[in-house]
Amino acid sequence: GAVVSQHPSRVICKSGTSVKIECRSLDFQATTMFWYRQFPKQSLMLMATSNEGSKATYEQGVEKDKFLINHASLTLSTLTVTSAHPEDSSFYICSAPGLAGLNEQFFGPGTRLTVL
Amino acid sequence: GQSLEQPSEVTAVEGAIVQINCTYQTSGFYGLSWYQQHDGGAPTFLSYNALDGLEETGRFSSFLSRSDSYGYLLLQELQMKDSASYFCAVTNNAGNMLTFGGGTRLMVKP
Repeated sequence: GAVVSQHPSRVICKSGTSVKIECRSLDFQATTMFWYRQFPKQSLMLMATSNEGSKATYEQGVEKDKFLINHASLTLSTLTVTSAHPEDSSFYICSAPGLAGLNEQFFGPGTRLTVL
Repeated sequence: GQSLEQPSEVTAVEGAIVQINCTYQTSGFYGLSWYQQHDGGAPTFLSYNALDGLEETGRFSSFLSRSDSYGYLLLQELQMKDSASYFCAVTNNAGNMLTFGGGTRLMVKP
């Protein structure tokens, strides 16, 4: 199956700093990628849809100026958490649809963000 | 909007069969998917139903009834490694995203 990687897997930062998370599709091209946030023992909440070559689409309640998304190529999307605060500490996961479309999504391994 | 309901926890013994139910309310429906997630890991795709009926993939099967807005995941011959969280997710008519249920934490005991 398709492989999606994320980097870094874990990051600890101080409050007020910015953190960039990369999501790559390794063996296929993805014009669309999705970013999710997951708090402990909770479900995945879609934050935004990343579109190659155009602006991301953000879900209601997600601040686009705080969570900057850039989908510069067909294999890379980045999520930058700007001016991170402790409440932003979470598990961030990206995904990309497989060849069958949205019926099957391939998830990256996730990035555990801890803001001190 | 869309909402999905599934039990929060299920416990079963090794070798048994367990069924995880999912009911959904959606403004548009395209299909129901199931994902498995181990602690600290990423979700992995298990199955997908767009039409009514049962889809079988090895020890796992998934069922959908569109008229009842209901589906389930059936896990047979449970193994300890099946202990994980299982999420149902719907794709809406626009096909533009997945909405996940709250997840069911399955604990398999010896």
